[in-house]
Amino acid sequence: GDSVTQMEGPVTLSEEAFLTINCTYTATGYPSLFWYVQYPGEGLQLLLKATKADDKGSNKGFEATYRKETTSFHLEKGSVQVSDSAVYFCARGTGFQKLVFGTGTRLLVSP
Amino acid sequence: DGGITQSPKYLFRKEGQNVTLSCEQNLNHDAMYWYRQDPGQGLRLIYYSQIVNDFQKGDIAEGYSVSREKKESFPLTVTSAQKNPTAFYLCASSTAGNTEAFFGQGTRLTVV
Repeated sequence: GDSVTQMEGPVTLSEEAFLTINCTYTATGYPSLFWYVQYPGEGLQLLLKATKADDKGSNKGFEATYRKETTSFHLEKGSVQVSDSAVYFCARGTGFQKLVFGTGTRLLVSP
Repeated sequence: DGGITQSPKYLFRKEGQNVTLSCEQNLNHDAMYWYRQDPGQGLRLIYYSQIVNDFQKGDIAEGYSVSREKKESFPLTVTSAQKNPTAFYLCASSTAGNTEAFFGQGTRLTVV
């Protein structure tokens, strides 16, 4: 079935370090791909998305490129800030208008 | 401001009781969803509704019930049949034919 696999956390970085959070998805069809962010005690916010192969989603310095050949949608940021500390979820759409989520990756950024 | 409102933010329930979580949206979205979040398990789909008066079971529907009498509202009832109801519950909505979902702030349910 449809699934998403993302790297386990926590990912611990110092401020201004480079961030990569890996995400791969099952290759059924041509799904839309998403990254959501969750701050403590809150709901999920859409961070970025890509709807077709080779699309690059970007927002707030974060980027992810839809790679059909490797079925990946890795999240990157060139210089993280303390305020980026949160849990990040990778997700893919399905043919039934639903989202399937990865298990989430906690990011901790220290000053 | 358009958005999704979940209430209450925190909810305590005694064992054996049913409890209803509220979800209201003013985004004019056709589809609405309920997810459950447990530590280390990501989000799991409980129920979803693509249109008023219709809904489908998700991956973990046992012990839960929903209704969709109005486009704006999709309440979730956690029944006494749900064996382990303590969790963070998230409601979401999307436009027709679109998987991009918008989320509420969540309700944390604790069984005491």
